[in-house]
Amino acid sequence: QQQVKQSPQSLIVQKGGISIINCAYENTAFDYFPWYQQFPGKGPALLIAIRPDVSEKKEGRFTISFNKSAKQFSLHIMDSQPGDSATYFCAASMAQGGSEKLVFGKGTKLTVNP
Amino acid sequence: EPEVTQTPSHQVTQMGQEVILRCVPISNHLYFYWYRQILGQKVEFLVSFYNNEISEKSEIFDDQFSVERPDGSNFTLKIRSTKLEDSAMYFCATFRDPTDTQYFGPGTRLTVL
Repeated sequence: QQQVKQSPQSLIVQKGGISIINCAYENTAFDYFPWYQQFPGKGPALLIAIRPDVSEKKEGRFTISFNKSAKQFSLHIMDSQPGDSATYFCAASMAQGGSEKLVFGKGTKLTVNP
Repeated sequence: EPEVTQTPSHQVTQMGQEVILRCVPISNHLYFYWYRQILGQKVEFLVSFYNNEISEKSEIFDDQFSVERPDGSNFTLKIRSTKLEDSAMYFCATFRDPTDTQYFGPGTRLTVL
């Protein structure tokens, strides 16, 4: 119930292509869904986040799509660049439910080839 | 931009030794978390701390672990008697309130030999 399932485990995309990473959750009490980007040797850094009252959020080249009924959300990276090569983690928490701890997916290692 | 800092960046210790990992949160943040990430695996929650007490802990956070905020600024994680399986990256995360983003520090790599 507390799990967040993330796929794919790894992704290779050509420069300029679209990268898509998917996550699914079971616990309907989750109400906050962030995506974190992590470079080797660094801590996770918030990329973009969404709450379930909207179905999509866009910030620059990054878009989260959220499907509440399917309990799924995804990250789309448009015009992918080599500098986007990193590991991406989806996460979920239930801030309104009194537990702000982030439950992370297993991560997707994205490689963008030049 | 303010950031969370952690020291040391890398700690090597012998099995059975005590280690203390330190975190300096962003100044107006009130919620403090520790997470860990075993090499190549996902980030896992350890413990949350608010108002000078633990608010939630995971099953990983057993009696060997403790947290405190000794001087009102630093936030520490102590592992009393380290095991080989404690080898991981340990991340501190802090935020201002439950609606805020969690900001992660750069991590401490703990290696237990």
